[in-house]
Amino acid sequence: GDSVTQMEGPVTLSEEAFLTINCTYTATGYPSLFWYVQYPGEGLQLLLKATKADDKGSNKGFEATYRKETTSFHLEKGSVQVSDSAVYFCALATYNNNDMRFGAGTRLTVKP
Amino acid sequence: DAGVIQSPRHEVTEMGQEVTLRCKPISGHNSLFWYRQTMMRGLELLIYFNNNVPIDDSGMPEDRFSAKMPNASFSTLKIQPSEPRDSAVYFCASRTGGVGGYTFGSGTRLTVV
Repeated sequence: GDSVTQMEGPVTLSEEAFLTINCTYTATGYPSLFWYVQYPGEGLQLLLKATKADDKGSNKGFEATYRKETTSFHLEKGSVQVSDSAVYFCALATYNNNDMRFGAGTRLTVKP
Repeated sequence: DAGVIQSPRHEVTEMGQEVTLRCKPISGHNSLFWYRQTMMRGLELLIYFNNNVPIDDSGMPEDRFSAKMPNASFSTLKIQPSEPRDSAVYFCASRTGGVGGYTFGSGTRLTVV
């Protein structure tokens, strides 16, 4: 079935470091891809999305490009801040699925 | 828009008691989802509704769990009787049709002692 696999954490970086969190997907249809962020004590919030191949989603300095040839949707940010410390979830949804499939989540800690 | 509203935010109950979690989706959203999040198992889909009708409850762990959506603006998740292993954060999410992203509530942290 449709699924996403994301890199295991935790990831610890220093402030202003470059961030990459890998995500790959398996889908029988043509999925839309998402990144969600969960801050401590809160629910998941949509960070960015891409609905077709080669689309780039971006928000708050984060970017991810929908790569059909590598079935990937890696999350990147050029310079992380302490406030980016959170758990990040990759997810996919297709018209064939009525639900969204989430990855296991990657915990990011950014140290000053 | 107040977003997806869940209540209570925190619930502590004794083993064997009945627990009811509540969710108000965003107005106009026609799909509603209940998730459970634990450190060991991550985010698990329990059940979801389309237009107030339960579509897939295969994620409901046991008969002790039940969910209802009597109208488009309200859903409940009930656990009866509760057990310590039910301790988790329970999230409700809603969305419109198509492949739009979900909007999550802030969750209910349930502790069964």
